[in-house]
Amino acid sequence: GAVVSQHPSWVICKSGTSVKIECRSLDFQATTMFWYRQFPKQSLMLMATSNEGSKATYEQGVEKDKFLINHASLTLSTLTVTSAHPEDSSFYICSAILQRGVNEQFFGPGTRLTVL
Amino acid sequence: QKEVEQNSGPLSVPEGAIASLNCTYSDRGSQSFFWYRQYSGKSPELIMSIYSNGDKEDGRFTAQLNKASQYVSLLIRDSQPSDSATYLCAVSPFSGGYNKLIFGAGTRLAVHP
Repeated sequence: GAVVSQHPSWVICKSGTSVKIECRSLDFQATTMFWYRQFPKQSLMLMATSNEGSKATYEQGVEKDKFLINHASLTLSTLTVTSAHPEDSSFYICSAILQRGVNEQFFGPGTRLTVL
Repeated sequence: QKEVEQNSGPLSVPEGAIASLNCTYSDRGSQSFFWYRQYSGKSPELIMSIYSNGDKEDGRFTAQLNKASQYVSLLIRDSQPSDSATYLCAVSPFSGGYNKLIFGAGTRLAVHP
């Protein structure tokens, strides 16, 4: 149990384009999902908390108009990087909580974004 | 001051030895503590969770928590080369919001044959 998938696993795009990353909980319903970003040799930085049916909560310094998060169902959250630039190139990882009240987060395999 | 601090390493241990990884945190009201393992280029994998003071053992792994000292550690017994990875300490802060985790920068462990 507690399997989280992400798609795509990697993506290369041109500067100025938008990229959508999907995060799915495969064998459970996730009312809360998280989006992280990790630059090389650095730790995970939480970008936002995604709650099903409501607006995402963004961490300080994260532009909500640039990183659009939608959690339209109990098994799917999407992150759209709008007007991507080379500095947005990073490893984007989502996670989900198995059940409410338990803080253990299970991570998807990540999406490596390269913006040319 | 960083919220969760770890020694970046690398921590080098011989195969079969005990690896000791340490983590300190700043939010005294934190309630939940986790250790994740991350291989290069991969996403984190949950190894252990601990919620109360003392030791918690799971196979070759033992997590230790001391809330008074704001300290959590991970011991890996009989270390294997396959344990070579970056180990991330994560803490759920008291005031951080529901289920939020704060990660340390990670300690890189190298187990040599």
